[in-house]
Amino acid sequence: QKEVEQNSGPLSVPEGAIASLNCTYSDRVSQSFFWYRQYSGKSPELIMSIYSNGDKEDGRFTAQLNKASQYVSLLIRDSQPSDSATYLCAVNTGGFKTIFGAGTRLFVKA
Amino acid sequence: NAGVTQTPKFQVLKTGQSMTLQCAQDMNHNSMYWYRQDPGMGLRLIYYSASEGTTDKGEVPNGYNVSRLNKREFSLRLESAAPSQTSVYFCASRREGQNEQFFGPGTRLTVL
Repeated sequence: QKEVEQNSGPLSVPEGAIASLNCTYSDRVSQSFFWYRQYSGKSPELIMSIYSNGDKEDGRFTAQLNKASQYVSLLIRDSQPSDSATYLCAVNTGGFKTIFGAGTRLFVKA
Repeated sequence: NAGVTQTPKFQVLKTGQSMTLQCAQDMNHNSMYWYRQDPGMGLRLIYYSASEGTTDKGEVPNGYNVSRLNKREFSLRLESAAPSQTSVYFCASRREGQNEQFFGPGTRLTVL
């Protein structure tokens, strides 16, 4: 069964610190990787997409992909209390379906 | 540009009642999806539609039916609601090529 695994957390970091969120996936043919942010009671919001090995930066967010290790991560620099949310990792193998992890809850303490 | 819209936002049903959840997107996407989200279980795919006129089962299709009415609209029907279908339901559409999915605001359904 194709799986996407995340630590459920909660991950607690102080304001201004770097938050590191991790995700592993089981299907080696996975091609597209996504991070979604979901605030409590709201819908998932796409914040990062990454398609090739290495790092991709967008503002305070950096996504890292290592296909050999089947590992994708999200770094949030200068974490803010407004970053407190659940972060969902999602993986697509090239077809119509995308597999979502159960999410990691992040708390940023002011 | 509203993106993905869903109605209703909240619904309470009694066991055995039926209802249809509506979803529409204005991004001209071909693919649309229905997910349910339960605590600790993440998003689980119920049904999807790769294009107008086609639908396929996802991970948890039992107890549900879908209709792809046209390119914009994709509805989810519960014929005889059960308490196990209490959940939050999200509709999404997919941008082709990059496979990014965009979600509607969700429907919070309670079945008593």
